[in-house]
Amino acid sequence: QVQLVESGGGVVQPGRSLRLSCAASGFTFSSYAMHWVRQAPGKGLEWVAVISHDGRNKYYADSVRGRFTVSRDNSENTLYLQMNSLRAEDTAVFYCARGYGSGNSPLDYWGQGTLVTVSS
Amino acid sequence: DIQMTQSPSSLSASVGDRVTITCRASQGIRNDLGWYQQKPGKAPKRLIYAASSLQSGVPSRFSGSGSGTEFTLTISSLQPEDFATYYCLQHKSYPFTFGQGTKLEIK
Repeated sequence: QVQLVESGGGVVQPGRSLRLSCAASGFTFSSYAMHWVRQAPGKGLEWVAVISHDGRNKYYADSVRGRFTVSRDNSENTLYLQMNSLRAEDTAVFYCARGYGSGNSPLDYWGQGTLVTVSS
Repeated sequence: DIQMTQSPSSLSASVGDRVTITCRASQGIRNDLGWYQQKPGKAPKRLIYAASSLQSGVPSRFSGSGSGTEFTLTISSLQPEDFATYYCLQHKSYPFTFGQGTKLEIK
């Protein structure tokens, strides 16, 4: 069964950095694009970034472009989100989700999320 | 960017009621739309993909319709476990965008 497990969240000061990980299992990770989606406390869902199956193509939301970098290690079945210059408004639960792959519709499976709190 | 306008933002209903939630896209998105259910403290769960296809394991009381710019999610007979927040998502083009959400509450 498809499983996505995020880790790396925590409390970080404004301006600092944090790297999130998403460990994937139960499917051929290297065949699927992967996404990050976040949800600020009490707010709706916000799409953050996507990386193609081979890591060559990446797209970002305007709110994080230039500060966040998505990457992946297909040999380790792991997705990453490097977050730099963090701001209070980046406080959110971050989810990874599976994207396009073998004829599926994207964001079909999600992890349980990891909480990032940006506060001094 | 494609904007998704979801309505209503909240809805009060009773067990057994039929409810409909609507999403309108700012431009045509074919049928590149999904519907998600989220309960407090949990990850979103997809109910509908490709606007009208029922995700495996999801009860048949959930249905989706629409194409282009107008989409609806219908729950034919509300059950106690259906009280949650619902979101639409367009995935025709990046950035993917969600509707603002509809909180479905018990009357």
